[in-house]
Amino acid sequence: DVKVTQSSRYLVKRTGEKVFLECVQDMDHENMFWYRQDPGLGLRLIYFSYDVKMKEKGDIPEGYSVSREKKERFSLILESASTNQTSMYLCASSLHATNEKLFFGSGTQLSVL
Amino acid sequence: AQTVTQSQPEMSVQEAETVTLSCTYDTSENNYYLFWYKQPPSRQMILVIRQEAYKQQNATENRFSVNFQKAAKSFSLKISDSQLGDTAMYFCAFMKLQGAQKLVFGQGTRLTINP
Repeated sequence: DVKVTQSSRYLVKRTGEKVFLECVQDMDHENMFWYRQDPGLGLRLIYFSYDVKMKEKGDIPEGYSVSREKKERFSLILESASTNQTSMYLCASSLHATNEKLFFGSGTQLSVL
Repeated sequence: AQTVTQSQPEMSVQEAETVTLSCTYDTSENNYYLFWYKQPPSRQMILVIRQEAYKQQNATENRFSVNFQKAAKSFSLKISDSQLGDTAMYFCAFMKLQGAQKLVFGQGTRLTINP
């Protein structure tokens, strides 16, 4: 089975800190995604990547950046964390552009104080 | 842009009952996928069922079935003989067939199955 691993299940940070959320997949998937989940809003796409060193903005990219230096790893970066970035962050991957099946990690609950 | 709407924030039924979760969407695309995902307390998103828009036949997976009405842009999920393990958040999602492979999610419905 495909495994998508997010490095932290819970994370507490202070406003203004630089925060890294890490995601690793073990099945050589080309596509990787970062979503944010908030009550009443569902999941919203922050950034996605189709290949190494390639990234595209999703629907809510403001305040975030990403890095994909290796195919298996996709990092979400909060340059200066703010309280409105307190949320659940979910990473996902899929095999390639024509494959619609996404595999999700278990999420990182981030609290910014 | 595509939007997905789930109008039922919470639902609760007794074990063994049948329950239907509603989902509507808006798109100008003709070919696309629709999905129902389940998120139990473990937070792991699990694909329940998917439907290709070009298929008229409604998808079925064991106790889970959909009612796909393309003209009405409606995609409801029916859970038959509900079980305690069905308790979870359920998300309806849309994906275009062509272009960027992004899932657009609804707001979610929290389903509780009572013993």
